[in-house]
Amino acid sequence: GAVVSQHPSRVICKSGTSVKIECRSLDFQATTMFWYRQFPKQSLMLMATSNEGSKATYEQGVEKDKFLINHASLTLSTLTVTSAHPEDSSFYICSASGATTGELFFGEGSRLTVL
Amino acid sequence: GEDVEQSLFLSVREGDSSVINCTYTDSSSTYLYWYKQEPGAGLQLLTYIFSNMDMKQDQRLTVLLNKKDKHLSLRIADTQTGDSAIYFCAGVYGGATNKLIFGTGTLLAVQP
Repeated sequence: GAVVSQHPSRVICKSGTSVKIECRSLDFQATTMFWYRQFPKQSLMLMATSNEGSKATYEQGVEKDKFLINHASLTLSTLTVTSAHPEDSSFYICSASGATTGELFFGEGSRLTVL
Repeated sequence: GEDVEQSLFLSVREGDSSVINCTYTDSSSTYLYWYKQEPGAGLQLLTYIFSNMDMKQDQRLTVLLNKKDKHLSLRIADTQTGDSAIYFCAGVYGGATNKLIFGTGTLLAVQP
């Protein structure tokens, strides 16, 4: 089946630094990718919808200048957490939607810890 | 807006059946999904049901959909310890975009 890969799976950074998380669709072209955030023992919250070649659409309450999303190709979307703070520590999960079936495939997630 | 609710926790003994429930407020989703998340891992699509169906069976999994009551359930037969995980129901909202909105999640604990 289709595979979505996220990298890194775990990252620890100092407060104030920026962290980039990559989401790749390995065997299909993803016209749309979604970024979710999951706090401990909570559900997944949609942060933004990323469309190849255009600006991302952010959900209400998500700071677009804080969470930079770039979807430069049909197989890669990146999420950059800028000037990270401890409250940004979370599990970030991406999903990709194929152009033909519309089925969503999820990455394994990236756990960010900000010290 | 969309509101998808689940009970937080379910504990069953190995070999018993598990029933995880989900209620939703927005009926516009064409499909409703069940996902499984093991500790520290991403999401695994378990099964889904088309909104005009009442039931779907897939091996040990049975999905029941009551559109009138806006209630979705997932039954796992012969529950195994490997089924211990968090289960999320989800629906697609937002019109043409595949914006998947998740329920609050149910932690299933299977006791040996």
